[in-house]
Amino acid sequence: AQSVSQHNHHVILSEAASLELGCNYSYGGTVNLFWYVQYPGQHLQLLLKYFSGDPLVKGIKGFEAEFIKSKFSFNLRKPSVQWSDTAEYFCAVSGYSGGGADGLTFGKGTHLIIQP
Amino acid sequence: ETGVTQSPTHLIKTRGQQVTLRCSSQSGHNTVSWYQQALGQGPQFIFQYYREEENGRGNFPPRFSGLQFPNYSSELNVNALELDDSALYLCASKEWAGGRETQYFGPGTRLLVL
Repeated sequence: AQSVSQHNHHVILSEAASLELGCNYSYGGTVNLFWYVQYPGQHLQLLLKYFSGDPLVKGIKGFEAEFIKSKFSFNLRKPSVQWSDTAEYFCAVSGYSGGGADGLTFGKGTHLIIQP
Repeated sequence: ETGVTQSPTHLIKTRGQQVTLRCSSQSGHNTVSWYQQALGQGPQFIFQYYREEENGRGNFPPRFSGLQFPNYSSELNVNALELDDSALYLCASKEWAGGRETQYFGPGTRLLVL
């Protein structure tokens, strides 16, 4: 069964600090990788996604993520965070088993608080 | 905005009752998935429908069931509600492009079971 582990459950940073949120996954086949963000009171939004090719992917709002296959990792980064980045961040993986669609498997999320 | 809508936004039920939640997919998306997000947790996959048939299911009991209609709108039905069913229920419609899929989520229905 596939699983996703997010190491930091709560992160507090000051504005302009650099951000890196860790994500490791376990899956036996080819995976698609995603980061979603959930701003307070809003629905899940797609930040970025990786299917194949260049392991460094860029998303919206200045976020990027690097896929490192040997480490089964897909860490999210941002060089300089803003107060508006305060949100819950979820790493997710999708794949297919022999029985059909497995859906997205999400990590437990990282609650990011940016202090002004 | 993703174009995925859900109704109702909030719902209160009592244990043992049945509930139906509704989702309207983004135009052109023929695959819909449902997820349960408990407080402080990531969403968990319930099941997926493609062209009106269930084609994938997570670790949820049969009292969680669904329907998908020809216009690709969808329902999630939960029978014999339990207190632990209290959660945010998310619907996601799936975009296929170049053999790759991306899911776009609706705002969710928050269900409270008393």
